[in-house]
Amino acid sequence: GDSVTQMEGPVTLSEEAFLTINCTYTATGYPSLFWYVQYPGEGLQLLLKATKADDKGSNKGFEATYRKETTSFHLEKGSVQVSDSAVYFCALILGGGTSYGKLTFGQGTILTVHP
Amino acid sequence: NAGVTQTPKFQVLKTGQSMTLQCAQDMNHNSMYWYRQDPGMGLRLIYYSASEGTTDKGEVPNGYNVSRLNKREFSLRLESAAPSQTSVYFCASSVDSGNQPQHFGDGTRLSIL
Repeated sequence: GDSVTQMEGPVTLSEEAFLTINCTYTATGYPSLFWYVQYPGEGLQLLLKATKADDKGSNKGFEATYRKETTSFHLEKGSVQVSDSAVYFCALILGGGTSYGKLTFGQGTILTVHP
Repeated sequence: NAGVTQTPKFQVLKTGQSMTLQCAQDMNHNSMYWYRQDPGMGLRLIYYSASEGTTDKGEVPNGYNVSRLNKREFSLRLESAAPSQTSVYFCASSVDSGNQPQHFGDGTRLSIL
């Protein structure tokens, strides 16, 4: 079945450090890929998305590139801030077949940024 | 903008009690979803409604029922709560059930004793 695997957390960084959170996927078709962020006590917010191979999603300084050859969608940010502390989820969705419209999530990666 | 609104935000139940979690969206979306979030497991789909008048099982439907009351509202019911259903429940909606992003509510934290 379809699945998403994220790097083990938690990740702890100092402010202005470079961030990478790895995400790889397994899917039978051609998924769209997403990164969601969850701040404490809140629901998930869409951070960025990519719908086809080689697309780069970007938002708020975060970037991720859809790599079909390595089935990856790694999240990166050049300089993190304390306000980026949150849980980050990688997810995929297929646009057809029995998985139509169903988001499949990774287990989430906790990021803590210290001043 | 309200987006997706869930009620209640917190609830404590005893084993065997029943309750309904409410969800409403004001974005005129066709599709709605219910997820549960458990530590280390991400979010898992319980039920979804691709459009008004239709509902389908997700990954973990056992012990739950849903009702798509109208285009705006999608409720989740626990008929006989069990401790294994202690979780945080999220409702989400999307324009349609294709590859569109889903918009989430703030969640309901449910504890079953």
